[in-house]
Amino acid sequence: GQQLNQSPQSMFIQEGEDVSMNCTSSSIFNTWLWYKQEPGEGPVLLIALYKAGELTSNGRLTAQFGITRKDSFLNISASIPSDVGIYFCAGGGMDSNYQLIWGAGTKLIIKP
Amino acid sequence: GAVVSQHPSWVICKSGTSVKIECRSLDFQATTMFWYRQFPKQSLMLMATSNEGSKATYEQGVEKDKFLINHASLTLSTLTVTSAHPEDSSFYICSANPPGGSYNEQFFGPGTRLTVL
Repeated sequence: GQQLNQSPQSMFIQEGEDVSMNCTSSSIFNTWLWYKQEPGEGPVLLIALYKAGELTSNGRLTAQFGITRKDSFLNISASIPSDVGIYFCAGGGMDSNYQLIWGAGTKLIIKP
Repeated sequence: GAVVSQHPSWVICKSGTSVKIECRSLDFQATTMFWYRQFPKQSLMLMATSNEGSKATYEQGVEKDKFLINHASLTLSTLTVTSAHPEDSSFYICSANPPGGSYNEQFFGPGTRLTVL
């Protein structure tokens, strides 16, 4: 099925570094969502974006809904060990069936 | 708010048996729930959309007779994997949309790890 282009696939970071990841699509979305998943658990919603150009923060996390409605980015500032996990973007709202289209995920790893 | 639970959290079964997984919205009513499957190191793959009071909508390639979905009430959807085989071993996750929010905001259960021997 359709999938969003999410990059990078993985990131090796040191504690305190800023992190940036993004998702792009050839299709327009009305909603962009960012989730975090830890091993053996379900995804947890971090940020939801509803308007083109919207910039929303949740603590050290900031996400933006691209003006073209075809992309979004997520930034994490001053990373800490508990930020480790897999981050997924998801696009929705193309039609009325409530379904989301998912990115492949970005795995965040802390350098020892 | 917007808490979704799943039961069991993990299950091991013999090949050929059936396994039922429950998904409950604990603090809201959900007319629509979603069932996903996730293989190791992969993204979530939507299997079906569960609709309260009507038949589920299955994604292309998902066998409806093998993955039976019953959305019996506004707080409970069940997924039954019938005649399970080792290739059905996976992480099954459900999600639901709480009313009042964006219809795209899905809240996920903790997942069920199914291992078929």
